[in-house]
Amino acid sequence: RKEVEQDPGPFNVPEGATVAFNCTYSNSASQSFFWYRQDCRKEPKLLMSVYSSGNEDGRFTAQLNRASQYISLLIRDSKLSDSATYLCVVLPNTGNQFYFGTGTSLTVIP
Amino acid sequence: DTEVTQTPKHLVMGMTNKKSLKCEQHMGHRAMYWYKQKAKKPPELMFVYSYEKLSINESVPSRFSPECPNSSLLNLHLHALQPEDSALYLCASSQARGSNVLTFGAGSRLTVL
Repeated sequence: RKEVEQDPGPFNVPEGATVAFNCTYSNSASQSFFWYRQDCRKEPKLLMSVYSSGNEDGRFTAQLNRASQYISLLIRDSKLSDSATYLCVVLPNTGNQFYFGTGTSLTVIP
Repeated sequence: DTEVTQTPKHLVMGMTNKKSLKCEQHMGHRAMYWYKQKAKKPPELMFVYSYEKLSINESVPSRFSPECPNSSLLNLHLHALQPEDSALYLCASSQARGSNVLTFGAGSRLTVL
């Protein structure tokens, strides 16, 4: 079983749409959770950390459900510039090894 | 501007060549990583150094040889590579403890002929 499972998509949505990505993790002792964004032929960049109480940054909302071991990312009012691959990343409570989901490809269409 | 600097940005090498990829960070991070990424795939962990000691080697072939000369530098020495080793090689760093956000460099795009 993979440490982190993520729907690879692709998601093709019109501008202005709301889109949600989910990710599940297998290690219940995981302590840190992140969403990264990766543009084509660029490095992954931190979009947001995910906190237990949920957190919001502008149009982006991240939530964590420890009981069900999943995290989610909601993007409201999608922009063309949101087109990218979104990577779910999990860090267990021991060690320095980060576990990556396969990434979800998003294309926002005019 | 990225806080993790990788050189070179692009590298083309033959299967008999020896080359090195370099990575530098000045954020005081004590964990440094090498990842390999193929198109449309997530980054694949190769090595982790923690406090300048190799802590994880994900069964990487010996034609890849990591080196951590000090807490700010990480090298990846390449020798006798195969065409299938062509990929984007990403260096990253994080705090070894506490806030563990992973910060990536821009990557070195390697082509093996």
